[in-house]
Formats: sequence, C-alpha cells, structure tokens
Amino acid sequence: AQKVTQAQTEISVVEKEDVTLDCVYETRDTTYYLFWYKQPPSGELVFLIRRNSFDEQNEISGRYSWNFQKSTSSFNFTITASQVVDSAVYFCALSSTGRRALTFGSGTRLQVQP
Amino acid sequence: DAGVTQSPTHLIKTRGQQVTLRCSPKSGHDTVSWYQQALGQGPQFIFQYYEEEERQRGNFPDRFSGHQFPNYSSELNVNALLLGDSALYLCASSQNRDRVFSNQPQHFGDGTRLSIL
Repeated sequence: AQKVTQAQTEISVVEKEDVTLDCVYETRDTTYYLFWYKQPPSGELVFLIRRNSFDEQNEISGRYSWNFQKSTSSFNFTITASQVVDSAVYFCALSSTGRRALTFGSGTRLQVQP
Repeated sequence: DAGVTQSPTHLIKTRGQQVTLRCSPKSGHDTVSWYQQALGQGPQFIFQYYEEEERQRGNFPDRFSGHQFPNYSSELNVNALLLGDSALYLCASSQNRDRVFSNQPQHFGDGTRLSIL
C-alpha cells in the first residue's frame, strides 16, 4: 500500500519569511514518482513539480525549491521569501509504475500574512 | 490552449437521486481520472479511463460509474446519492505515451462541487 503523510495541517507565516512544507511517503515500489500540487481557493489543483525515484537531485524554480531524500522517504517543499499569493493548500502526492492513481496527502494549508 | 474543463460548477441534489458530471480533458490528453475531495481532505482516486475503458478503480462502490467518449471527454455518474457523497469532484487528464501511465503529471480542472441535501 502507498501512503503520503503531511503532518503539518496549517502553517501561518508573515510575508517574506521562508517556509518548508514536509512530506513523508511510504511505498514498496522501487520506481515511483512524487508530485507537489497547489490548490488555491478556486479549487483547481495546480501542478508544481514531478520527481522520479531515481533522481535525487534537489530542484530550484524561482522562490520554490524541493528536497528529495530517499533515505528518509521525504520530499519537502520550501518557499523562499513567501508572498501573500502563496496562500493555498499544498498537496504532496505519490504514484508508481503500474499504479495509475495518485495517492495524496491530507494537505498543508499555508497562510501568508501581509 | 484550453485546460481541463468541468461542468457543472455547482450542483445540489437530494438523497437517492442520480447525478452526471462532465469533463473535457486538456488538449492533447487521452486519459481521464476522477477524484473525490471531501472538505479538508486530500483527493481520493475514484477511477481512470483510457481508450474508453476503465483501467483502474479506487475504493468506491458500484454506485460510482463512468464513461469515456471517442473524443476523450468523460462522465462520472453517481446513483442513489448519499449525504456522504457531498464533495468536490475533480477531473484530471494526462497524456500517456508508451502506455506508461504513472509518471505523467495529471492536470486538474476546477471541479464540480456537489451538495446532497
């Protein structure tokens, strides 16, 4: 069985602070894929990043960065210099070869105060 | 380039009724998945359609059924509605080259918010 845990239910920061959203996953598959999605109040899930299990390089995209560590089964997401527009619910998700479904965590609600 | 579109946006039904939700995938995508998202929770996988066939199903009863049309659009049908079916229903599409389904990012629509009275 696959499982994704996002232990942080809600995080509140002040604008320009850095914030890290944690994601821990469980899978028995050797080939798997990890994703982060952003869900603003409108409801649409916006794809942010995909990482496969063979690529442990960290990635940076503007103010966003992702830290993938297989040894701890974690795929954490950091927003640098947060902005009010970053306020949303963020979901970490997992899929694997042969499993068509995305398994989502319960999400972390990020509130960035001005 | 149109993204994933879902209709209707909102729907109110009563217990025991039946409902049909519709989804048009992103241009160039051939696979459609449906998810149910209860308030405050992450989306739960219902099923996925590819080549007009249901390819995988999550832990949902037979009251939930679907269909995919030759133009790749899809419908989700729910019969005998229960109060617990109240949720945001999300459609996601992806493109599956070489039949490798799991590694392609799924692109989501805005969802249909279904309320059961």
